[in-house]
Amino acid sequence: EIVLTQSPGTLSLSPGERATLSCRASQSLTSAYLAWYQQKPGQAPRLLIYGASSRATGIPDRFSGSGSGTDFTLTISRLEPEDFAVYYCQQYGTSPTWTFGQGTKVEIK
Amino acid sequence: EVQVVESGGGLVQPGGSLRLSCAASGFTFSNYWMSWVRQAPGKGLEWVASIKPDGSERYYVDSVRGRFTISRDNGKNSLHLEMNSLRAEDTAVYYCARARMAAGYAFDIWGQGTMVTVSS
Repeated sequence: EIVLTQSPGTLSLSPGERATLSCRASQSLTSAYLAWYQQKPGQAPRLLIYGASSRATGIPDRFSGSGSGTDFTLTISRLEPEDFAVYYCQQYGTSPTWTFGQGTKVEIK
Repeated sequence: EVQVVESGGGLVQPGGSLRLSCAASGFTFSNYWMSWVRQAPGKGLEWVASIKPDGSERYYVDSVRGRFTISRDNGKNSLHLEMNSLRAEDTAVYYCARARMAAGYAFDIWGQGTMVTVSS
């Protein structure tokens, strides 16, 4: 069973700053099966990135994903007020199964 | 508009049963894997169950296998989750989600969720 560990748990930043979120897998992943989601309080998650680096429909280009193997990164180039939220990475694996990381909260400093 | 809408949540006693439903619209339901994902209060996301487009295969997280059953009716564009022997730890918001194969089986469409509370 693959475990996804996200870091940091909380990221305190100001609007306009760059956010770098990490997702580390306990085993090597197929990049095609790594996704990132954004969730705001009281709302359902929203798909941001799939295939490690492809933006979902309607996602602004300030969001980017990268990585391979066991290390993946979500970068928000310049934080907008609406970007303060919790972010989850997720992988699709054999069996099949779907696994989420524990989340990173991006909060206003 | 592409959307999924959950229903059926509520308060149930430990050991009880509940059936969740998800109504899909705006897309060809029978072409997609469908899933249930839950979120306990103040916690992260947890995948619960998934079902193939034709309903021929079903997959579950270990903690619900044998107690929960996922099913679908492609003629009615609906997804269901039958939950039996419910426990306090099953308390969560349950989301219906579409998995898109072309997106590496990522969940690209989510409902607003339905709350299930297991308590005496």
